[in-house]
Amino acid sequence: DAGITQSPRYKITETGRQVTLMCHQTWSHSYMFWYRQDLGHGLRLIYYSAAADITDKGEVPDGYVVSRSKTENFPLTLESATRSQTSVYFCASSEGPLTGQYFGPGTRLTVT
Amino acid sequence: GQQLNQSPQSMFIQEGEDVSMNCTSSSIFNTWLWYKQDPGEGPVLLIALYKAGELTSNGRLTAQFGITRKDSFLNISASIPSDVGIYFCAGVDQTGANNLFFGTGTRLTIIP
Repeated sequence: DAGITQSPRYKITETGRQVTLMCHQTWSHSYMFWYRQDLGHGLRLIYYSAAADITDKGEVPDGYVVSRSKTENFPLTLESATRSQTSVYFCASSEGPLTGQYFGPGTRLTVT
Repeated sequence: GQQLNQSPQSMFIQEGEDVSMNCTSSSIFNTWLWYKQDPGEGPVLLIALYKAGELTSNGRLTAQFGITRKDSFLNISASIPSDVGIYFCAGVDQTGANNLFFGTGTRLTIIP
């Protein structure tokens, strides 16, 4: 029972490079989310998706792109990484808009 | 973005003691969630509350959805070493999935 997985777990990249973080869930949950967690800010929503091919912005979407061609996958792309995007990124999924969200193990991204 | 007021920020207790923490908001929420996060891991959903006044237990954990819909508390009875970690409350407001707001966390430490 894999649940929700993220890859890679750790990534170091240079400023200006494109980076894609992967998220995969095996529950067939409709909703998927991307958060970043930073000291002093807690967890902040970047983007979310209510279903395949439906995505919408969260609180901090600038500099990020998402897609959801399949229900089980929700990749997050940093088109041109900046140092301010150094963070721990968490993917989550839920059955519905008001139900509990289940989080992946996180990806620690460092932009040098 | 909105953050919930969670207290206390940290707790130092002895094994076997009971723990109580709470979360308040200026906004009404339709769902209250409690998560625990261990170092290097994603938040793990402990309890989900969907109705004002609801009292729900999960083993030694008990949480309540406040009548005003603006607060929630979490109790842990007879603490054990594996309870150590950071506990987050989270609330979903009336607009739904994209508005899951997290508290600032309560760090629980057990003194040997």
